[in-house]
Amino acid sequence: DIQMTQSPSSLSASVGDRVTITCRASQGISNYLAWYQQKPGKVPKLLIYAASTLQSGVPSRFSGSGSGTDFTLTISSLQPEDVATYYCQKYNSVSSLTFGGGTKVEIK
Amino acid sequence: EVQLAESGGGLVQPGGSLRLSCAASGFTFSSYWMNWVRQAPGKGLERVASIKQDGSEKYYVDSVKGRFTISRDNARNSLYLQINSLRAEDTAVYYCARDHEQPGLFFDSWGQGTLVTVSS
Repeated sequence: DIQMTQSPSSLSASVGDRVTITCRASQGISNYLAWYQQKPGKVPKLLIYAASTLQSGVPSRFSGSGSGTDFTLTISSLQPEDVATYYCQKYNSVSSLTFGGGTKVEIK
Repeated sequence: EVQLAESGGGLVQPGGSLRLSCAASGFTFSSYWMNWVRQAPGKGLERVASIKQDGSEKYYVDSVKGRFTISRDNARNSLYLQINSLRAEDTAVYYCARDHEQPGLFFDSWGQGTLVTVSS
């Protein structure tokens, strides 16, 4: 099975900082990658799919990039409401959908 | 507005069974793959099971194969998860999630979840 590894597992940044989260697949998955945000005590929310397509209603400070095995989620200017855990998910095979371990983002 | 409402969770002893339900509204239920995703306390997300629009294809994570059964009733706009032979490691919030319309299986709408606790 293809494994998804996120890094870092947690980070602390200041408001206005540029934040980058990485997701690495153990094998190539083309661009079949989604990103979710889960705020504390809340339900996950889809942010990005097809590696770089912003879901409707998601602020433009969020962006995604990558293809193959290496992907990034970038928050261009961190806001207090972005405190959350972020998960990547591969979906190149319906029989094997896997999430990354998550990256917890906090405000410094 | 898409709404997904899970029910059926609770406290159950190891080896026990539960049937989770998800009532869907606000969209054409029969047009979407539907899924169960779980999250153990303080842990990450795990896709448990998925079912095609007409129920002809079903997929499960390896750890639940043979114990969990996903099903749907398109006439009732409802999704189900029969969970048997429960283990402590099945303790989690179980979310009902709808597939996105775009190619591939990822989740654009989630219910609030129902908590399953397996403990003696």
